[in-house]
Amino acid sequence: IAGITQAPTSQILAAGRRMTLRCTQDMRHNAMYWYRQDLGLGLRLIHYSNTAGTTGKGEVPDGYSVSRANTDDFPLTLASAVPSQTSVYFCASSDRAAGKLFFGSGTQLSVL
Amino acid sequence: AQTVTQSQPEMSVQEAETVTLSCTYDTSENNYYLFWYKQPPSRQMILVIRQEAYKQQNATENRFSVNFQKAAKSFSLKISDSQLGDTAMYFCAFMKHGINSGGGADGLTFGKGTHLIIQP
Repeated sequence: IAGITQAPTSQILAAGRRMTLRCTQDMRHNAMYWYRQDLGLGLRLIHYSNTAGTTGKGEVPDGYSVSRANTDDFPLTLASAVPSQTSVYFCASSDRAAGKLFFGSGTQLSVL
Repeated sequence: AQTVTQSQPEMSVQEAETVTLSCTYDTSENNYYLFWYKQPPSRQMILVIRQEAYKQQNATENRFSVNFQKAAKSFSLKISDSQLGDTAMYFCAFMKHGINSGGGADGLTFGKGTHLIIQP
């Protein structure tokens, strides 16, 4: 089934630890995004990539990094997790020429 | 850059009633897409309805319809004959049309959401 796969589904992490959230799509979309969702704040963009080999910072990039080595994969890394990074993380991809937007199922991350 | 505003943090209606969720946006673009997404407690993001800005006709999907007012930059969602399963967060989203060749991620913007509760 075509779509976006995120892993893990949920994770409890000790503060200070490094963590990579995985995101893979099989639709060959150029644009991919990472959002965090927090109550009352909606979806906030962390990082994005308009095409393989390029990335950019979103609204809340501090403490996060991304890479886009190929079209399909867009991992998000927390170098040294802090409790304020406790959130639900969504990966998304878009085909803007066709007006299509797809979401992964999200990752619930708790940093203690 | 675009902004999307959902002015109703929470709404509650009785089952079978009709409810309208509001969404306004600000953009200088002429060609774009607008979406309503539903997020139930499962947290899955489910596409409810999609509107292409160049189409004057309002999109409809069964019990869901929109009132798209391009000049007013308004994109409200109407849910008719509301059901208990409609209880969810609803997000309005804006997406620029076309290939992003100018850099930036301003092609995709979300509102903060409206929590809709359908009471039995």
